[in-house]
Parts: sequence; C-alpha cells; structure tokens
Amino acid sequence: GENVEQHPSTLSVQEGDSAVIKCTYSDSASNYFPWYKQELGKRPQLIIDIRSNVGEKKDQRIAVTLNKTAKHFSLHITETQPEDSAVYFCAASKGGNQFYFGTGTSLTVIP
Amino acid sequence: GAVVSQHPSRVICKSGTSVKIECRSLDFQATTMFWYRQFPKKSLMLMATSNEGSKATYEQGVEKDKFLINHASLTLSTLTVTSAHPEDSSFYICSASAGSISYEQYFGPGTRLTVT
Repeated sequence: GENVEQHPSTLSVQEGDSAVIKCTYSDSASNYFPWYKQELGKRPQLIIDIRSNVGEKKDQRIAVTLNKTAKHFSLHITETQPEDSAVYFCAASKGGNQFYFGTGTSLTVIP
Repeated sequence: GAVVSQHPSRVICKSGTSVKIECRSLDFQATTMFWYRQFPKKSLMLMATSNEGSKATYEQGVEKDKFLINHASLTLSTLTVTSAHPEDSSFYICSASAGSISYEQYFGPGTRLTVT
C-alpha cells in the first residue's frame, strides 16, 4: 500500500516569513496530491491540490510543487499570517480512491 | 455545495455498549465514503472504504466485526462501534467522494467518541 511521509512535524515561523512542508510517497501510481488544513477539533479543509500531470500549482499565497520522479511534493506558504497556524496534512491518492495521509505538520506563525 | 454532515458530533457511552455514527452527503451523491480515525495530535488513519450497496473494504488491522460499516444509500453511510471500550475513544471522521469523476473528498465535521 501507499506510504506517505511528512516533514517537519512541527514548524514555527515569524509572521511574514515563508513556510515549507515536504511529503514523500511510495506508490508511483498515485496521481492526486491534496493538502488539508485542520484546526483543532474541526474537519480537514482542502487548501490546494495537484494532479500528476502538472509540476506546480499556485493559489495566492499558497503553492504546491510535485516531483514525480523523486516521488515528493511540497507545500509553500508565503507571507504567513497568524491565521495560518494549524495542522497541515498532505495526502496521496490514485484519484477517486482512498487517501493516504501524511503524519501532519503543526504550523505556528508567531506574530 | 459539497457538504457532508456527521451525527452525533459528540457522544459519551459506557463500556460494552454500541454507538452508531451517521455520515451524510447533503447535496451530492456519494458513491464512495471513507471512515477515518484520528487520535489527538495525530494523522487521519483510514479505517475503511465503503461503496453504496456493497461491503466495506477495511484497512489492515481494523476489525470489521467491531467497526460495522453500512452504506445503504448514495447519501448515507453509518459506522457502528460495537461493544465499545475506552481504547475506542477517538475522533472519527467520514469523507465522501462523488466517484471517479471527482478526485476530491469532502470531510464531515467529525464525531468525538468517549467511552467510559
């Protein structure tokens, strides 16, 4: 089955700085890679996703990059704000099927 | 659009009793629903995948007789925790997918189960 690893487990940045979270996956057949933001006790919210036919996708302050050859993908948050503080999860999927989540990154943005 | 609800949001039960959690897709037909378990400050662990009208597929290590899943319609899936024990206390989250045409999963708000 798929194995998704995520680093770092915790990340603290100063407000305005950038944050980068990295994930690797094991199954080369995975073709969909979403990123979720989860606040304490709440449901995960999709913030950005990427399919395997593109290498990068950007949405305002958030971007995701994908390297299929190396089987890793990264989340980049620029100009971080305190409200970005949350736990972020990456996931890998074979599209339309079950997600396998990374272990999560607790991001703290220090005002 | 794409709203998924879960009921109840919180439940406290005594050891040995069974608890049913409902997951509903409110504005779309979910051909597939997924059940996850999440421990405090941990990741979401996939428990099982259920397709409407067929038996659920359980992940390795998940006891199918303990976690009964029923996907009776395209908008409803239920998870029943049978003979609950304190170690079953956790946050259970469902998600729903509209099928192979849509890659995205839509998550419910979760159910906090506490077994005393």
